Amino acid sequence: DMKVTQMPRYLIKRMGENVLLECGQDMSHETMYWYRQDPGLGLQLIYISYDVDSNSEGDIPKGYRVSRKKREHFSLILDSAKTNQTSVYFCASSSRKLNTEVFFGKGTRLTVV
Amino acid sequence: KTQVEQSPQSLVVRQGENCVLQCNYSVTPDNHLRWFKQDTGKGLVSLTVLVHENDKTSNGRYSATLDKDAKHSTLHITATLLDDTATYICVVGDRGSALGRLHFGAGTQLIVIP
Repeated sequence: DMKVTQMPRYLIKRMGENVLLECGQDMSHETMYWYRQDPGLGLQLIYISYDVDSNSEGDIPKGYRVSRKKREHFSLILDSAKTNQTSVYFCASSSRKLNTEVFFGKGTRLTVV
Repeated sequence: KTQVEQSPQSLVVRQGENCVLQCNYSVTPDNHLRWFKQDTGKGLVSLTVLVHENDKTSNGRYSATLDKDAKHSTLHITATLLDDTATYICVVGDRGSALGRLHFGAGTQLIVIP
């Protein structure tokens, strides 16, 4: 069953707290992504991971870091969350094949108060 | 600057009607274009992918076209159902491999009413 799983689905944190968003996939995909989606905007790439310990910044990496110690898991960490990091975060994965399909998780809605 | 523009922003149709969603982009290079469906509170699900100049694809009641010269794509939904209510997102990939970037439109919100 091809699946990208995100945990938790909903999260409320206070400003300044640390946040850990987890993502798993069962397709042995090399590439994984973290995006955020805000109203009226397209998804914005935060980080991309090409494989274990091979991570690159996306378009909006400031305030975020990632960890990929196993191919099937990709974590997004917010050290000292800010209110402007309130958003819906999506994890995705894909293989290295040309024009391959990208599979998305159901998202994590993070609210920072 | 937004490189993928979708129109209309939102659309209401009656069940059974057809509708057309538009996507214009300025991404260069434009290796491929994909349409996704996003149900409320859910992730994105791929509907179709277009790769070549003047590509046309069909997936059940969904069909799509791509004009790379005009950097334009359309998604047609025929005989809409209530379950078609969702946001439809146009995504342009600037490369065929994972080394490329995906450029997302903000989406068209489609509401199908009885």
